[in-house]
Amino acid sequence: AQSVTQLDSQVPVFEEAPVELRCNYSSSVSVYLFWYVQYPNQGLQLLLKYLSGSTLVKGINGFEAEFNKSQTSFHLRKPSVHISDTAEYFCAVSEIVGSNTGKLIFGQGTTLQVKP
Amino acid sequence: GAGVSQTPSNKVTEKGKYVELRCDPISGHTALYWYRQSLGQGPEFLIYFQGTGAADDSGLPNDRFFAVRPEGSVSTLKIQRTERGDSAVYLCASSLQPPPNTGELFFGEGSRLTVL
Repeated sequence: AQSVTQLDSQVPVFEEAPVELRCNYSSSVSVYLFWYVQYPNQGLQLLLKYLSGSTLVKGINGFEAEFNKSQTSFHLRKPSVHISDTAEYFCAVSEIVGSNTGKLIFGQGTTLQVKP
Repeated sequence: GAGVSQTPSNKVTEKGKYVELRCDPISGHTALYWYRQSLGQGPEFLIYFQGTGAADDSGLPNDRFFAVRPEGSVSTLKIQRTERGDSAVYLCASSLQPPPNTGELFFGEGSRLTVL
């Protein structure tokens, strides 16, 4: 069965510093990979996704992520964070199979706390 | 509206009662998903609808949970004989493309259920 592990439950960082949120997954088949963000009192929003092609994908708000198949990882990075990036971040996978229903398996989430 | 709408936003009920949670997806979106998010956890898949039919209900925890989408638009998640362990935020998401879609789900803000 597929699973997603977000290695850090909380990541505190100062404003304008770089940040990396780690995500590892386990699956017996190929997967699509996603990062979603949940701002306080808002619904989940898609940050970026990896479907195929270049392993480095760029998303909204200056975030990017790199798919590493050998390490089964999909870490999220931003070179310089802002206070407004404070939110909960979720990594998710969707298995690529014939019967794919598009359902996502989510990690436990990482709280990014940006301090002034 | 432009986004996924969920009602009620908050529901407090007593153990043993019946509850209904409603989801109004984005107009034209054929795929609809229900997820459950417990405190400190990532969303957990419950059920997927393609049109009117439940194409994947493998995530429903037991037979107290049931969902319908009679006209292929609005969906209702129904929970019978609620238990304290059912307390969570219930998220609804919709997607324009049927499977195998690329997983861009649009989420509502959720219905927070508290069972006393």
